[in-house]
Amino acid sequence: DIVLTQSPATLSLSPGERATLSCRASQSVDNYLAWYQQKPGQAPRLLIYGASNRATGIPARFSGSGSGTDFTLTISSLEPEDLAVYYCQRSGGWPKTFGRGTRLEIK
Amino acid sequence: EVHLLESGGGLVQPGGSLRLSCAASGFTFSSYAMTWVRQAPGQGLQWVSTVSVGGGSTYYAVSVRGRFTISRDDSKHTLSLQMNSLRAEDTAVYYCVKGDSNYYYDFWGQGTLVTVSS
Repeated sequence: DIVLTQSPATLSLSPGERATLSCRASQSVDNYLAWYQQKPGQAPRLLIYGASNRATGIPARFSGSGSGTDFTLTISSLEPEDLAVYYCQRSGGWPKTFGRGTRLEIK
Repeated sequence: EVHLLESGGGLVQPGGSLRLSCAASGFTFSSYAMTWVRQAPGQGLQWVSTVSVGGGSTYYAVSVRGRFTISRDDSKHTLSLQMNSLRAEDTAVYYCVKGDSNYYYDFWGQGTLVTVSS
């Protein structure tokens, strides 16, 4: 099975700073890669699909890039409400693996 | 507006059974694959099972294959998950999830908690 490795496990930044989250696949997933945001006590929400496409209603400060095995989620200027755990997930093939997540803390 | 409402969670003893349901509204239910994703307490997300459009194909995580059965009733806009031979490690919040044509999970329910304990 394809394994998705996310780094770092935890990221602590201040409002206005830029956040860079990484997701690396053990084999190529082409661009079948999504990012989800899960705020405390809430269900996950789709942020990015197809590696680089923002889902409906997602602010422009969120962007995704990459293909094959290396992917990045960038939050250009952090807002306090971006406090959450971020997961990547492969959507092509089976099983539909998730990464272990990156916890984003806002100082 | 898309709405997914899970029910059926609760406390069950190891080896027992439970049936989860998900009532869907706000979209053409029959046109989309549907999925269950779970999250153990304090842990990450785990894909559990997916049923295709029409119900002809089903997919399972290795950890639940042979014990869980996913099904759908398009006439009632309902997704189900029959869980048998439950184990402590099945304890989790179970989310009902709608996927688009590329299995990106664009809408999630609020989840139902399943606790397997004696």
